[in-house]
Amino acid sequence: TQLLEQSPQFLSIQEGENLTVYCNSSSVFSSLQWYRQEPGEGPVLLVTVVTGGEVKKLKRLTFQFGDARKDSSLHITAAQPGDTGLYLCAGSFTGNNRKLIWGLGTSLAVNP
Amino acid sequence: DSGVTQTPKHLITATGQRVTLRCSPRSGDLSVYWYQQSLDQGLQFLIQYYNGEERAKGNILERFSAQQFPDLHSELNLSSLELGDSALYFCASSVAVGGLTDTQYFGPGTRLTVL
Repeated sequence: TQLLEQSPQFLSIQEGENLTVYCNSSSVFSSLQWYRQEPGEGPVLLVTVVTGGEVKKLKRLTFQFGDARKDSSLHITAAQPGDTGLYLCAGSFTGNNRKLIWGLGTSLAVNP
Repeated sequence: DSGVTQTPKHLITATGQRVTLRCSPRSGDLSVYWYQQSLDQGLQFLIQYYNGEERAKGNILERFSAQQFPDLHSELNLSSLELGDSALYFCASSVAVGGLTDTQYFGPGTRLTVL
């Protein structure tokens, strides 16, 4: 059972465009993480959000955790070809022995 | 470079065979995690070890086993291999037992192809 739904599954945009990808669940998370994975490599942690309503910025990336801690979004401003990759969200539940539940990811291609 | 190393990078084998994947965590990290990534299932948590002891178990099949040695490196053993076991296998490591601030660092993965 996939507890984390990510959308869209695929996204192809031109350099300079803005985009938002989503991570949704019916469960409440104690924390949620966003990772980026490039071909042939392992995922790399971008951010961890913990508090409902929290917003974190990392240069051109803005991460938001929903008030109810059931959803999150990642917004990229003025996308660049270097942003190309698979964006994964992963959430942990309180009392779930800290195991991370992973979404299937959004595959982003930014064309020059 | 995350500091986590995995060998081999690629592995091609036949159904029914047994293979061993190896992982060396970052210096100082006590936890090792194993994940399987396939196109249809995404990234699936298999098992976690902390300082040599099994800490958490995920969707690991009975045909699969793992261990963490005193020098903290870990091995994932896959036996009676099936075509569906073809996937990328990642190892990750973290300093502590896991938690909100315990970042996992992933290795480059081992691509297993079962023919």
